[in-house]
Amino acid sequence: EPEVTQTPSHQVTQMGQEVILRCVPISNHLYFYWYRQILGQKVEFLVSFYNNEISEKSEIFDDQFSVERPDGSNFTLKIRSTKLEDSAMYFCASSLLAGGIDTQYFGPGTRLTVL
Amino acid sequence: AQSVSQHNHHVILSEAASLELGCNYSYGGTVNLFWYVQYPGQHLQLLLKYFSGDPLVKGIKGFEAEFIKSKFSFNLRKPSVQWSDTAEYFCAVMDTGRRALTFGSGTRLQVQP
Repeated sequence: EPEVTQTPSHQVTQMGQEVILRCVPISNHLYFYWYRQILGQKVEFLVSFYNNEISEKSEIFDDQFSVERPDGSNFTLKIRSTKLEDSAMYFCASSLLAGGIDTQYFGPGTRLTVL
Repeated sequence: AQSVSQHNHHVILSEAASLELGCNYSYGGTVNLFWYVQYPGQHLQLLLKYFSGDPLVKGIKGFEAEFIKSKFSFNLRKPSVQWSDTAEYFCAVMDTGRRALTFGSGTRLQVQP
């Protein structure tokens, strides 16, 4: 069964550094998402992406964050200048349909640790 | 803004016991409802979903959930749990017209053999 994959599984960085988290969505999916989960807290929506542009974003997704689909298979989340509070598990998800409601399939996550 | 409450944070059951995990949401409009499960060391997987129609939905591995609109609830049930059901269970809500899932805080289920 096709799966969403994410790399790396764990990223450690220094405060102020840029990080790029990578995701390979399921190949025929059209909608892509990033969520995060700070330790001990809820999974929170960051952004959704369709047709090469952001379709929806939360208040968490400020100017420090950006997303990109650099080629036909990857979907990336960039954090420009990391802060301690960016330490979290970041989940990528994808879904098939452009219209209507459908299921989001999640990747295994990248644990980001900012020191 | 939508919020989701899962009242049981940690549930411990013996095998063959019945399970019911509570989920309540705040937004009164049309919503789509999901239960996801995360087994130890694995990623979030969809258990079941409700979009419309029969409010009693059946998912994988013998799980079911009932949507009660008047109570803003979507409780997860299983008549007889197994040790392999040990996992964290997340309720999530999607408001119509949006793509963002709003998650509850999760319920950690521990099934003792």
